[in-house]
Amino acid sequence: GAVVSQHPSWVICKSGTSVKIECRSLDFQATTMFWYRQFPKQSLMLMATSNEGSKATYEQGVEKDKFLINHASLTLSTLTVTSAHPEDSSFYICSATLRSSGRTYTQYFGPGTRLTVL
Amino acid sequence: AQTVTQSQPEMSVQEAETVTLSCTYDTSENNYYLFWYKQPPSRQMILVIRQEAYKQQNATENRFSVNFQKAAKSFSLKISDSQLGDTAMYFCAFMKHATSGTYKYIFGTGTRLKVLA
Repeated sequence: GAVVSQHPSWVICKSGTSVKIECRSLDFQATTMFWYRQFPKQSLMLMATSNEGSKATYEQGVEKDKFLINHASLTLSTLTVTSAHPEDSSFYICSATLRSSGRTYTQYFGPGTRLTVL
Repeated sequence: AQTVTQSQPEMSVQEAETVTLSCTYDTSENNYYLFWYKQPPSRQMILVIRQEAYKQQNATENRFSVNFQKAAKSFSLKISDSQLGDTAMYFCAFMKHATSGTYKYIFGTGTRLKVLA
């Protein structure tokens, strides 16, 4: 249980194009979804928090017009990197929260998407 | 603001031995949650164990257990009978329970563990 998928797992795009990454909770309804960015050999950096039906909350320094987040349902959130540039190349990870019996909002993570911008 | 510190960037352990990864945190909150995640070479983040701060009993999950010292703000992970599949990056994470619904994780910088055959 508590499986989160991401699609695509790997994408290469040309500079200036937009890329959409999907995050789905497969066997549960997610209260909230989170988007992270991870550089090689570093920790996860939270980009934004996404609640179904409302606007995402972005962390300081993250451009909301560049990283568009849509949370259309309790099982799907999308991250669109607009007008991508080589510096946007990174590993993007989503997570979804499951409210457990202990009221612990445990995050379950997707497998990640490697974005390479040429 | 809360911070999470993992002071061991890299560690190694012989197969079947026991290893302890350290994590300390700083918070003024009384009600919060702590987690250990592993990230193997596949880069999939996997929940290892979680601890509620209001529980005095240390959490255990098979070969994994924690030593939670609330007063010292310490949350170490012990891996017993280490296996080659335990080779991964391990992240400690702190989460504050908030009625407002904002319950972000704060991650440590990670400890890279290598299990040696």
